[in-house]
Amino acid sequence: EPEVTQTPSHQVTQMGQEVILRCVPISNHLYFYWYRQILGQKVEFLVSFYNNEISEKSEIFDDQFSVERPDGSNFTLKIRSTKLEDSAMYFCASSERGLAGGYNEQFFGPGTRLTVL
Amino acid sequence: DAKTTQPNSMESNEEEPVHLPCNHSTISGTDYIHWYRQLPSQGPEYVIHGLTSNVNNRMASLAIAEDRKSSTLILHRATLRDAAVYYCILMGDSNYQLIWGAGTKLIIKP
Repeated sequence: EPEVTQTPSHQVTQMGQEVILRCVPISNHLYFYWYRQILGQKVEFLVSFYNNEISEKSEIFDDQFSVERPDGSNFTLKIRSTKLEDSAMYFCASSERGLAGGYNEQFFGPGTRLTVL
Repeated sequence: DAKTTQPNSMESNEEEPVHLPCNHSTISGTDYIHWYRQLPSQGPEYVIHGLTSNVNNRMASLAIAEDRKSSTLILHRATLRDAAVYYCILMGDSNYQLIWGAGTKLIIKP
């Protein structure tokens, strides 16, 4: 069964450093998403991406964050200058179609645990 | 965004049916009801979704009240592997993001 993969599984970085989290969505999917989950808290939407553009983003997704689909398979989340509060589990998801209303399910990867020291 | 209300936790015995309730009294006519779950230390996983009619799939059933102000996720025969946090999420026809609440932590007793 096709699945979303994410690398690395755990990333440790120093405050102020740049990190890139990588995701390989399911191959025929067209819509991509990043969510995060701070330890013990609820899942939070960050951004959705379609046709090489951001389609929606949350207030969390400020200028420190960016997303890119550098080739036909990878989808990346970059945090330019990490802060302590960026420590969280970051989940990538993909869907065949845009999740407007119904007719769609988002497939999630296993997550990347980001620890900012 | 329309909000949902779920119990914080529920317990059930293994191999028995489980009914997980969700209240969404402010649901609009175009909102779909989605259910996801998150097993310990894993990413969320789609379970089921519906609009007005009850829905069945290989994982679960979704029973939607006639006025659509509430719904119930039914696991017909819970196993230990079903222990997870279950999220009920409303999705409007102009949104592309999932808005998560706290969910219901389902505990399965052997």
